[in-house]
Amino acid sequence: GAVVSQHPSRVICKSGTSVKIECRSLDFQATTMFWYRQFPKKSLMLMATSNEGSKATYEQGVEKDKFLINHASLTLSTLTVTSAHPEDSSFYICSAPWTQVGEAFFGQGTRLTVV
Amino acid sequence: AQRVTQPEKLLSVFKGAPVELKCNYSYSGSPELFWYVQYSRQRLQLLLRHISRESIKGFTADLNKGETSFHLKKPFAQEEDSAMYYCALSPGGGGNKLTFGTGTQLKVEL
Repeated sequence: GAVVSQHPSRVICKSGTSVKIECRSLDFQATTMFWYRQFPKKSLMLMATSNEGSKATYEQGVEKDKFLINHASLTLSTLTVTSAHPEDSSFYICSAPWTQVGEAFFGQGTRLTVV
Repeated sequence: AQRVTQPEKLLSVFKGAPVELKCNYSYSGSPELFWYVQYSRQRLQLLLRHISRESIKGFTADLNKGETSFHLKKPFAQEEDSAMYYCALSPGGGGNKLTFGTGTQLKVEL
């Protein structure tokens, strides 16, 4: 079964509104989680590293104020797309490493469409 | 900067034919290399990693440091192998952040 749950799997929102995406590790604790963005027919691009109890680390070119990340507990990280615009429409995927197993597990992804 | 290159966007083979999905990387240190697979309507999942040196679902991949390659191979393709395959690199450890290639869509035809 899935060890990382991402919710929602699909969301449509209006321009200017904010959308929150949740990523939960189900069978293990994850002090670190990763958020990726996938453009059509392109690779997964790392957006940021979510750190439990501290600030997220953003990759170059990713707007911190646009993509708010909160890692409130050892099993939950959230990505909030603030004041969404059509160009934010994309597929967002989270990943949580299970250190005891030495493997990163992925959520099912969230398809965001901003209209 | 680290980079992963998968030159083929689409690879189409017949059932029973050999398969080779190419992956080249650039990284200054000693990275860990992975192959991830995404079947239709399913999430990304780990197929294999170079440190394990194992064969999963008949697939193998050998890390060639001289050629900075990590090609994925299978001697006889099966229909169920049809999927999207991503090569990925991590600076160290399977739990670290990954740099992905652009992916290769494998289509196995009957």
